[in-house]
Amino acid sequence: QSALTQPPSVSGSPGQSVTISCTGTSSDVGSYNRVSWYQQPPGTVPKLLIYEVSNRPSGVPDRFSGSKSGNTASLTISGLQAEDESDYYCSSYASSSTLVFGGGTKLTVL
Amino acid sequence: QLQLQESGPGLVKPSETLSLTCTVSGGSISTTSYLWGWIRQPPGKGLEWIATIYYSGSTYYNPSLKSRVTISVDTSKNQFSLKLSSVTAADRAVYYCARQRGSGTWTFDYWGQGTLVTVSS
Repeated sequence: QSALTQPPSVSGSPGQSVTISCTGTSSDVGSYNRVSWYQQPPGTVPKLLIYEVSNRPSGVPDRFSGSKSGNTASLTISGLQAEDESDYYCSSYASSSTLVFGGGTKLTVL
Repeated sequence: QLQLQESGPGLVKPSETLSLTCTVSGGSISTTSYLWGWIRQPPGKGLEWIATIYYSGSTYYNPSLKSRVTISVDTSKNQFSLKLSSVTAADRAVYYCARQRGSGTWTFDYWGQGTLVTVSS
């Protein structure tokens, strides 16, 4: 069970869109629509952004969207704001009732 | 409002057992809609799922930690607990307890504030 692969960092200017990828295998991301995304500003607790690939919990702005193609899931943040600067983590169900996280991506708003 | 609070020693000696408890308030742990889990995060690093438990006692473990981990639940106290044996410096991390949505979503929607556990003699 290996960690999902995320880019260490991404950046974008206010108002732009950025996409964070989360690559797994056919044993996790590719086989199950059980991908979640979490936002973790520095020094704080992770917050659920997206579940089941593309569903947003109540209270999460629709600027945040999720998708999946094959073994890769993606989080897109549109209309980038300074407050979006944070670490982002993906997770996926990985068969045999286990869960795997990605290594995390640091988003910098320029 | 649901709240989760981790408690336990912040310092554990190498080779000993780390023991943490998560107290759930504002909701019952004995619900068919949710499970309860532990996740850890070494300082400056990413998240790692440790284990999950259902109120009935069904358990699920990260294979890489399974030999050292025990998760348990005490419905009378609305608490669930984690034990990690034979700790080393690599187990130094912030340990979070969290509520996991049911119906196979495998997503954590409420998190405790986390507690830093250091392993040192």
